[in-house]
Amino acid sequence: DTAVSQTPKYLVTQMGNDKSIKCEQNLGHDTMYWYKQDSKKFLKIMFSYNNKELIINETVPNRFSPKSPDKAHLNLHINSLELGDSAVYFCASSSPRRGLASRGRTDTQYFGPGTRLTVL
Amino acid sequence: KNQVEQSPQSLIILEGKNCTLQCNYTVSPFSNLRWYKQDTGRGPVSLTIMTFSENTKSNGRYTATLDADTKQSSLHITASQLSDSASYICVVSARDSNYQLIWGAGTKLIIKP
Repeated sequence: DTAVSQTPKYLVTQMGNDKSIKCEQNLGHDTMYWYKQDSKKFLKIMFSYNNKELIINETVPNRFSPKSPDKAHLNLHINSLELGDSAVYFCASSSPRRGLASRGRTDTQYFGPGTRLTVL
Repeated sequence: KNQVEQSPQSLIILEGKNCTLQCNYTVSPFSNLRWYKQDTGRGPVSLTIMTFSENTKSNGRYTATLDADTKQSSLHITASQLSDSASYICVVSARDSNYQLIWGAGTKLIIKP
């Protein structure tokens, strides 16, 4: 009954290949995210999807493309992998809540276990 | 520029001791501040979320404080346990169109028996 799951957990591949990482959440959330955590441990948001619409897209190379077949899934497809793509990729999901006193969103993001991608 | 800085970078304490982790931010306009715990090889897990009107919030042995005037937050861990060994990440949400989250680099905490 894992809340947010990712597959595979480890992915080792050659430079230039195309690969996909899958993410599924069973929390009924309407927003899902992809993060990249590099060797310095900074978590950087890559994408988020809300009701199948991309609402955040940071300066990510267009070799990365999120695909959401439905509200419970947000897959990450990467074309022409490069050495610098090696990192841990985390999927997350949330359901926006607006607090009366918060003047904004206070949704908690639930993270998957991560996928460690190594490009050789 | 919106930034979140945490200190110390790493900390080693003995089991049973207390410790306090610091977070300074320059995010504006401010929406809320979150503390996450990330165990090695796992995804971050939310500990607390505080809005501008909240000065302190507890979650078991974890107590977070927020001073929105000085733009500082702290996470205090009481009676540390070996399972507290993890990275603790401070995250600040900006009240912009996307409520973007600005992540700190984290403090790596090691609890020794």
